[in-house]
Amino acid sequence: AQTVTQSQPEMSVQEAETVTLSCTYDTSESNYYLFWYKQPPSRQMILVIRQEAYKQQNATENRFSVNFQKAAKSFSLKISDSQLGDTAMYFCAFMKPSGTYKYIFGTGTRLKVLA
Amino acid sequence: KAGVTQTPRYLIKTRGQQVTLSCSPISGHRSVSWYQQTPGQGLQFLFEYFSETQRNKGNFPGRFSGRQFSNSRSEMNVSTLELGDSALYLCASSLGGPNTDTQYFGPGTRLTVL
Repeated sequence: AQTVTQSQPEMSVQEAETVTLSCTYDTSESNYYLFWYKQPPSRQMILVIRQEAYKQQNATENRFSVNFQKAAKSFSLKISDSQLGDTAMYFCAFMKPSGTYKYIFGTGTRLKVLA
Repeated sequence: KAGVTQTPRYLIKTRGQQVTLSCSPISGHRSVSWYQQTPGQGLQFLFEYFSETQRNKGNFPGRFSGRQFSNSRSEMNVSTLELGDSALYLCASSLGGPNTDTQYFGPGTRLTVL
C-alpha cells in the first residue's frame, strides 16, 4: 500500500525568504503522480504544483518548485520569496493512475510566514 | 468556469441523526471524491464516484454512503451520527480520465455532531 509522510508538522519562515517542505512516499509503482496542495486558514484547498513520475525535470510554478528524487521517493516543495499569503497548511499527495485509483494524502505541514 | 460547490457549508446535528451533504463538480468533470478532514487524522478518503458508479472506497463504516447523479452531482449521507463524525467534509472533482487526473476541491462542509 502507498503511504505519504510529511515529517514537519509546523514550520515558519520570514517574509521574502525561502523555505522547503519535505515529503516522502512509499510505493512499488513506477507510474504515478505527486501533488502539493495548499489549504489557507478557513479557505479552500487549491493545487500548488503537480509532478509526473516519468518526467525527470522538476516541476515549477512561479515561486513554487519541487525537488523530485524518484529513487529516494522524495518530493519536497520549495517556496521562494515567501509571502504572507503563503501561510497555509500544505499537503503532499500521491496518485496512482492505472486501474482504479485514489489519492493518498500526507498529514500536512502548517507553514507560517512571518512579517 | 465555476468551481466545485458544496452545500451546506455548516451543519450542526445531534448524535443518532442522519445528514446529507451535496457536491456539485466543475462542469465537465465526471469524477467526484469525498474526504473527511480532522485535526487528528488529516485527510481520509471516503469514496469516489464516476459516471454514477462507486469506483473506489476507503475504510469507513457502512454508515457513510454516497451516490452520484447523471449530471455528476454527488451526495454523501451519514446515518446514525456519532461524535467522532464531526469533521470538515471535502468534495473534489476531476475529469476522471485514466491518466493524470488533477482533483479540484470544494470549500467543504463543516459538520458538528453534538
